[in-house]
Amino acid sequence: DAGVIQSPRHEVTEMGQEVTLRCKPISGHNSLFWYRQTMMRGLELLIYFNNNVPIDDSGMPEDRFSAKMPNASFSTLKIQPSEPRDSAVYFCASSLGINEAFFGQGTRLTVV
Amino acid sequence: GENVEQHPSTLSVQEGDSAVIKCTYSDSASNYFPWYKQELGKGPQLIIDIRSNVGEKKDQRIAVTLNKTAKHFSLHITETQPEDSAVYFCAASPAGGGADGLTFGKGTHLIIQP
Repeated sequence: DAGVIQSPRHEVTEMGQEVTLRCKPISGHNSLFWYRQTMMRGLELLIYFNNNVPIDDSGMPEDRFSAKMPNASFSTLKIQPSEPRDSAVYFCASSLGINEAFFGQGTRLTVV
Repeated sequence: GENVEQHPSTLSVQEGDSAVIKCTYSDSASNYFPWYKQELGKGPQLIIDIRSNVGEKKDQRIAVTLNKTAKHFSLHITETQPEDSAVYFCAASPAGGGADGLTFGKGTHLIIQP
């Protein structure tokens, strides 16, 4: 398996634009997580899904953030409208049951 | 919610010496404690984990200890090598990585001096 695949790897956008980050979890995994990493706040859990169902989105910072998982092999994290303070590295991770969570390579988002 | 504190934020050791990173957590319901290593430009990668029914776990040069009473756990790396240089994160979860997500510490930048 190629691991957790995220796209794009880098995204530069202007303030106010919509940004969509994509994630393909490891085949067979039933949990998917979105994390955000910044120097100030470290790694923060934004939202997670079990069997494609959102379980806890209490980490989503604002209503501008939304996430979907239409099927077991794909998830998106959308920011609309984007702001400079959204600049961060966004990681997707997946796991099976209570086992190890595998992380993708991340998407580095820069909002100018 | 859970709060994980990690110390030190930076640790510099001579190659061949040991390195110890310590974490404390606040939620007594936490039962799963993984350690991740993150290299520049990459995602975190699990190096070792421990569950609350075990006090210590070892894998070659890496070991983790857990004290549930005191709510702290530590990572020990012996015979450090240049490739050990990275940022290390501790984390805690009530069940496991796949059940309800992880709360991470702020990370330790480990520098191995040749």
